[in-house]
Formats: sequence, C-alpha cells, structure tokens
Amino acid sequence: ELKVEQNPLFLSMQEGKNYTIYCNYSTTSDRLYWYRQDPGKSLESLFVLLSNGAVKQEGRLMASLDTKARLSTLHITAAVHDLSATYFCAATPPIIQGAQKLVFGQGTRLTINP
Amino acid sequence: DGGITQSPKYLFRKEGQNVTLSCEQNLNHDAMYWYRQDPGQGLRLIYYSQIVNDFQKGDIAEGYSVSREKKESFPLTVTSAQKNPTAFYLCASSTSLPYYNEQFFGPGTRLTVL
Repeated sequence: ELKVEQNPLFLSMQEGKNYTIYCNYSTTSDRLYWYRQDPGKSLESLFVLLSNGAVKQEGRLMASLDTKARLSTLHITAAVHDLSATYFCAATPPIIQGAQKLVFGQGTRLTINP
Repeated sequence: DGGITQSPKYLFRKEGQNVTLSCEQNLNHDAMYWYRQDPGQGLRLIYYSQIVNDFQKGDIAEGYSVSREKKESFPLTVTSAQKNPTAFYLCASSTSLPYYNEQFFGPGTRLTVL
C-alpha cells in the first residue's frame, strides 16, 4: 500500500531565507505532484514530476524527484510572505490508463514572517 | 471558461439527514473523483469514476454514495451512516489518457453537522 509522508509538518521561517520540504513515499509511484492550498481554499497545482531526476522550477519554488530514494523535495529560495500556505505532495500507484488514485501527504504548513 | 464547479459552498446537516453535494465539470474529462479533507490533514479518496455509469470505492467510502449518469456530473451523497461527516469535500476531474491525467480540483464544499 502506497503511503506518503511529508516533513516538516509545520515550518516558520523568515523572509529571504531558504528551506526545503521533504516528501517520502513507500512504494513505486508513477509520478509525484505538488499542490498549494491557501486557508479555506481548494488545491492549486504547482508541479508534476514524471521521471527520475526531474526538476521543475517556478519563481522561488523548485521541485525535484529521486525515484530510487522515493523522495521528492520542494525547495523555497529567498522566501517571501506570499508563499505562506500549506503545501501537499501526492503520489500515485503505477497506472497505464484511466483514473489515478492520488495518495496525499499530511501537508506542510508554511508561515513566512517579515 | 472551462472548470469544475461545486455547490453549495457551505452546507449544514442535521443528525440523521442525507445531503447531496454537487460537482460539475465542463473540461470534457472522463474521470472524476471525490476527496475528503479534515482540519490539518491531507486529502483522502472517497469515490472515483473513470467513465459514465461506472464508479469505484476509494479508501473511505463507507457512509457515502455516488452516481455518474452524465459525463459532466458526479454528485456525492453523504448518508446518515457516515458518523463524522463534518469536513471539507473536494471534487476533481482528469482525462483518462496516459501521462496527461493530472487532476484538477473544484473550489470545495464545507459540510458541518449541527
């Protein structure tokens, strides 16, 4: 059974600092997703990582995937207050076609202080 | 505009009542999903459907029922058998094509039991 764990679960940091959120998954996964959720809102897709060694960047966020270690990271560079949110990773069992069953981590609540 | 709509945004239920949450998409997606999110937690899959007139149980289907009579619609009924239904419910949809089946989420319905 696929399980996904994130750490840390809570992260408070200062603007301008760098930090990394880690996402471990327990069995083979077809792909890895990162989502952002603001309080009371739905999920916003950030990154989809499809293969080993994949790296994607958008602004101050960079995500990477190591399928051998079953590890994905979300790196925040020079944090700004607008990045305060809860970040989720999600993995999915291998599937050829059809609906995917996403398995989510617990989420990392990120607070960025001035 | 293409997207996913959920209604109502807020829903209050008395003990013993069944309630139905609406989810509609105009993205021409084959697959649709229902997730539940409890405070401070990740999302858990309730039901999913790959095609019209077909659906499968997710990880926490007990106390819930769904139907998929139209491609665009995937309503979720929370029955009186669901003992702790207070939660945030998110609907999602995706294509069924391999490597292109990223899930997109609706705005959510917050259900509270009085």
